[in-house]
Amino acid sequence: AIRMTQSPPSFSASTGDRVTITCRASQGISTYLAWYQQKPGKVPKLLIYAASTLESGVPSRFSGSGSGTDFTLTISSLKSEDFATYYCQQYYSYPPFTFGQGTKLEIK
Amino acid sequence: QMQLLQSGAEVKKPGSSVKVSCQASGGTFNNNAVTWVRQAPGQGLEWMGRIIPLLDITNYAQNFQGRVTITANRSTGTAYMELTSLRSEDTAMYYCATVEGYSSSYCRYWGQGTLVTVSS
Repeated sequence: AIRMTQSPPSFSASTGDRVTITCRASQGISTYLAWYQQKPGKVPKLLIYAASTLESGVPSRFSGSGSGTDFTLTISSLKSEDFATYYCQQYYSYPPFTFGQGTKLEIK
Repeated sequence: QMQLLQSGAEVKKPGSSVKVSCQASGGTFNNNAVTWVRQAPGQGLEWMGRIIPLLDITNYAQNFQGRVTITANRSTGTAYMELTSLRSEDTAMYYCATVEGYSSSYCRYWGQGTLVTVSS
């Protein structure tokens, strides 16, 4: 199974900061990568699919990039509602379509 | 806009089984893949398996092989996830999720989650 490793596991930032979260696949997955946001007690929400395609209704301050094994999720200017846990998921080729372990973004 | 409605919370004894349902409204997932994801308390998302009802294909994560069965009733637009031989570590929120089509199995639409508690 393909392993997805996110970094960092958690970090603190302030509103207005530019933030980057990294996701690395244990083998190449082309651009078959999605990013999700989950707030405490809530259902995960799709932010980005195909590595860089913004889901409808998601603010443009979110962006994704990468292909192969290395991917990033960037939030250009943090807002208070962005403090949450973020997960990547690969859906390349054949199941299992594994998730990263998550990155918890906290207020500094 | 598709919505997924899951069955209610369950409390189960160790060694028993649980079957969670997921019904689609505002669309059909007969041409989609339906994925099941687990989240233990305070933990991350864990991919359990998926079904493509149109093709009658199921795939399971190795961690659950032999204990999980995912099925779908195309006429009612309902998917099911059954987990057997429950243990305390299976206490978690279980989600169904889907996206249009089955060629890309990311999760656009999510059910509200079903809390399964395993306790003696």
